[in-house]
Amino acid sequence: GENVEQHPSTLSVQEGDSAVIKCTYSDSASNYFPWYKQELGKRPQLIIDIRSNVGEKKDQRIAVTLNKTAKHFSLHITETQPEDSAVYFCAAKGSGSARQLTFGSGTQLTVLP
Amino acid sequence: DTGVSQDPRHKITKRGQNVTFRCDPISEHNRLYWYRQTLGQGPEFLTYFQNEAQLEKSRLLSDRFSAERPKGSFSTLEIQRTEQGDSAMYLCASTYTEVEQFFGPGTRLTVL
Repeated sequence: GENVEQHPSTLSVQEGDSAVIKCTYSDSASNYFPWYKQELGKRPQLIIDIRSNVGEKKDQRIAVTLNKTAKHFSLHITETQPEDSAVYFCAAKGSGSARQLTFGSGTQLTVLP
Repeated sequence: DTGVSQDPRHKITKRGQNVTFRCDPISEHNRLYWYRQTLGQGPEFLTYFQNEAQLEKSRLLSDRFSAERPKGSFSTLEIQRTEQGDSAMYLCASTYTEVEQFFGPGTRLTVL
């Protein structure tokens, strides 16, 4: 089955700096890679996603890049703000019939004012 | 609120008791997933429904766990003879496509 690894597990940045979170996946048949933001005690919220036929996608301060050959994808947040502080999860959609998501272990991002 | 809802939000039970959780997906969504999330980890897939049919179950889903979606709308997840290791957040997600999944707020289970 799919295996997703995520690094780093914690990340602290100064407000206004950029943050980068990286994930690798194992199943070359995976073709959809979402990123979720989860604030303490709340549900995971989709913030951006990318499909395997695209190498990069951007939405305001958030961008995701995908390298299919190397089987890794990254989340980039620019001009970070304190409200960006949360746990971020990457995921990969499996090739099984359920199309379930396999999640990374999460990155606790702290934006210091 | 037209999003995915789950009930109860919190459940505390004693070891050995049975518990049942409910998930109400977004109304037009025909696909429903259950995930389990433990502290410091990402959600782990438990089971999947397309309409009323349970099409896939994870190996994580022991025989003490059962899920139903009788009319293809809401779903229930029952855990029998709960164990302390069952303590986790149980998340439900729904979608009508093969991609974006919308998550509910979760049911936090504590087994004493």
